[in-house]
Amino acid sequence: DVKVTQSSRYLVKRTGEKVFLECVQDMDHENMFWYRQDPGLGLRLIYFSYDVKMKEKGDIPEGYSVSREKKERFSLILESASTNQTSMYLCAAQRGNTEAFFGQGTRLTVV
Amino acid sequence: QKEVEQDPGPLSVPEGAIVSLNCTYSNSAFQYFMWYRQYSRKGPELLMYTYSSGNKEDGRFTAQVDKSSKYISLFIRDSQPSDSATYLCAMRGTGGFKTIFGAGTRLFVKA
Repeated sequence: DVKVTQSSRYLVKRTGEKVFLECVQDMDHENMFWYRQDPGLGLRLIYFSYDVKMKEKGDIPEGYSVSREKKERFSLILESASTNQTSMYLCAAQRGNTEAFFGQGTRLTVV
Repeated sequence: QKEVEQDPGPLSVPEGAIVSLNCTYSNSAFQYFMWYRQYSRKGPELLMYTYSSGNKEDGRFTAQVDKSSKYISLFIRDSQPSDSATYLCAMRGTGGFKTIFGAGTRLFVKA
């Protein structure tokens, strides 16, 4: 199975800070995704990337940006963290049109 | 109206019961259907992956797709306390790799 590793399990950041969430996958999958998960709202797609240096906005990209400089690494950036970005962030990797494999999640709290 | 509807529960059953989890959807273009299990504070893990209509069985788990009714189900036989988790349905069309997730159903299996 694909292993998807997110750099932190828990993060606490202050309002206004620039926050980097890192995700690395070990199976050379071309597609990578960032979701946030909130109670009652399920998983919402923030951004995805289908190749190195390529990115597409998902359903809720406002306040976020991404970077994919290498195929195995996909970073989510919160330009200026706000309290409404407190959430569980999930990274996923997927080969073509097959199933997605998720990382363990990063629970971010913005205070 | 959401593209994918899933009852959030919680659903509480005694150990050994047969569990039925369901999702309905509105987009007839969906062809790939998945079920993920998510333990508390962890990332989702893939349980079942099916294409188009029909049944798929894997151990105690059976996934069922009825495209004519736009309805998918996951059955868990001989449920165990270790099955206590949130179950997410997910689906995707053939034209892209963007997956749509249900909000998840919380399941509790009591010993």
